[in-house]
Amino acid sequence: AQSVTQPDARVTVSEGASLQLRCKYSYFGTPYLFWYVQYPRQGLQLLLKYYPGDPVVQGVNGFEAEFSKSNSSFHLRKASVHWSDWAVYFCAVSMYQGGRALIFGTGTTVSVSP
Amino acid sequence: EAAVTQSPRNKVAVTGGKVTLSCNQTNNHNNMYWYRQDTGHGLRLIHYSYGAGSTEKGDIPDGYKASRPSQENFSLILELATPSQTSVYFCASGHQGANSDYTFGSGTRLLVI
Repeated sequence: AQSVTQPDARVTVSEGASLQLRCKYSYFGTPYLFWYVQYPRQGLQLLLKYYPGDPVVQGVNGFEAEFSKSNSSFHLRKASVHWSDWAVYFCAVSMYQGGRALIFGTGTTVSVSP
Repeated sequence: EAAVTQSPRNKVAVTGGKVTLSCNQTNNHNNMYWYRQDTGHGLRLIHYSYGAGSTEKGDIPDGYKASRPSQENFSLILELATPSQTSVYFCASGHQGANSDYTFGSGTRLLVI
C-alpha cells in the first residue's frame, strides 16, 4: 500500500542552523512527491515537488529535497533556518489511482530558537 | 488568479445536526478532494471526485457524503454530525495527470458540540 512516514513529530533548530526533515515513502512504481508547509492557522503551501528526473529538487525560500529510490526517501533540507520557517511541514505522495489524491505523512513541526 | 475557496471558515454545529461544507475552484481542474486534519494524523482523504456528477470514497468516508454538482463545486455533507467530526477540513483540486499540481483551500474549522 502507498504510504508516507515522517518519523520526527517535532524538530527544534537554532536560527541560522541547517535543517533536515525526513520523509520515507512506500510506493509501487515511480512516485510523484511533494513537500508542503503550513503556517499557523493557514492552509497548505507548496514548497517543492518531485517528478521523475533530477533527484535534487529546488523549492521556494531556500528549501531543497533529494529523492532516493534505493532508500525510498525524499528528505527536505535548508542550509540556514530563519525564524519565519517556524511551521508544520508535510511530505506527500500522489497516488497512481484514487483520483491522483495526495497521501500525506503526519507532519513535522519545526520550532526555531533564537 | 486560480484558487480554491472554502466556506464557511468556521462552523459550530450541534450533535445530530446536518452540516454542509462548500468548496469552489476556479482552476478548471477535473479532480477535487476533501481532507480532514487532526493532530497526529496529518491530512486524511475523505472523498474525492473525478468531475461533475462523480464522487468516490477515500480512506475515511464513514459519516460523510459528498456532492459534485458542477466542475467548480464540491461539497462535503455531514448528515448527522458527531463530536468526533470536530476537525479542520481542507478542500483541494488537481489535474487528472500524473504531473498534477494541487491547490488547497484555506480550511474550515468545524466544532461539533
